[in-house]
Amino acid sequence: AQSVTQPDIHITVSEGASLELRCNYSYGATPYLFWYVQSPGQGLQLLLKYFSGDTLVQGIKGFEAEFKRSQSSFNLRKPSVHWSDAAEYFCAVSRRGNKLVFGAGTILRVKS
Amino acid sequence: EAGVTQFPSHSVIEKGQTVTLRCDPISGHDNLYWYRRVMGKEIKFLLHFVKESKQDESGMPNNRFLAERTGGTYSTLKVQPAELEDSGVYFCASSTIEGVGNEQFFGPGTRLTVL
Repeated sequence: AQSVTQPDIHITVSEGASLELRCNYSYGATPYLFWYVQSPGQGLQLLLKYFSGDTLVQGIKGFEAEFKRSQSSFNLRKPSVHWSDAAEYFCAVSRRGNKLVFGAGTILRVKS
Repeated sequence: EAGVTQFPSHSVIEKGQTVTLRCDPISGHDNLYWYRRVMGKEIKFLLHFVKESKQDESGMPNNRFLAERTGGTYSTLKVQPAELEDSGVYFCASSTIEGVGNEQFFGPGTRLTVL
């Protein structure tokens, strides 16, 4: 069965500092991988996705993620965090066209 | 273009009552998904429509939940009778059939509280 682990429930970083959110997945084949963000009162917004090809993918809002097959990881990074990045971040996995399996989410707090 | 909309945004009901949640997908999106997040837990899949047909309902918790998508447009999710453990945020998402990755676009969710 597919599963996604986000080991950090909460992360606090200073504004301007770099960020890395961890995601590990369990899946029988190469999955489709996603990062979503949810700001308060909003729906989930797709940040980026990986299906194949270049293992470093660029997303919106200055985020990027790297797929590492050997580590079954898909960590999300941003070089310099802004206060508006404070939100909850979800890693998810799926097969094409099928349901998403989510991690538990990581709440990001940004301190000024 | 309008995004995925959900109604109501919040619902507070008594245990044993009935509640119906509505989702309007993005126009032209044949795939429609329902997910639920119970407090403190991860977002979990409930079911998947392709047009008006149920493609996968493996995540539906029990027969108190009934989802419909008549005409292949909007969808409703009825909980009858509601129990305390049904409280949570119900998300709807939609996507196209074609295209790599079938990005799912999410609505803002309906927060259901069962007292």
